[in-house]
Amino acid sequence: DGGITQSPKYLFRKEGQNVTLSCEQNLNHDAMYWYRQDPGQGLRLIYYSQIVNDFQKGDIAEGYSVSREKKESFPLTVTSAQKNPTAFYLCASSGWARSIVEAFFGQGTRLTVV
Amino acid sequence: GQQLNQSPQSMFIQEGEDVSMNCTSSSIFNTWLWYKQDPGEGPVLLIALYKAGELTSNGRLTAQFGITRKDSFLNISASIPSDVGIYFCAGRTQGAQKLVFGQGTRLTINP
Repeated sequence: DGGITQSPKYLFRKEGQNVTLSCEQNLNHDAMYWYRQDPGQGLRLIYYSQIVNDFQKGDIAEGYSVSREKKESFPLTVTSAQKNPTAFYLCASSGWARSIVEAFFGQGTRLTVV
Repeated sequence: GQQLNQSPQSMFIQEGEDVSMNCTSSSIFNTWLWYKQDPGEGPVLLIALYKAGELTSNGRLTAQFGITRKDSFLNISASIPSDVGIYFCAGRTQGAQKLVFGQGTRLTINP
């Protein structure tokens, strides 16, 4: 089945460590996005990419990095520079280049700093 | 940056009641989307709207694209326990590269 897969579902990180969250889609979508969600809050955009080898900062990019080497994959690295990384992270994709604007989300990764 | 004002922030209703929520913006949008998020899961797309005045239904859910293009409404009829969750609106302006999301409406249903 076509979809968007995030892994792992739960992730624990020690302070000072970098961690990478995986996001893979087989929907043949051009655009991919990373959002952060804090308890009781809405979605805040971290980074987005409309095409392979290109990406743009969102509203809260500091302390995060991404890569887009393949159309299907958009991993997010939470670096030690992110002061408060504990949150629920959501990846999404959409067929932007074909003017299909609906974004479809993965199941999310809950990151906890211990 | 652009913002969507979604209201109410939370709703506490009895099973069987109808629900209404809305999103407003100071900007003109050419696409409105409504999502539902269950606890610990990613949002799921419910309804997409593309034309001003458009009224679209998905089962007990009905959404409308406001005529001014600055607002959208979502109604849920005869609520049931599985309707519990957070509902998000999202919109895109002409030429924008990304969606703008509302802050969400948290729906709680008393059986």
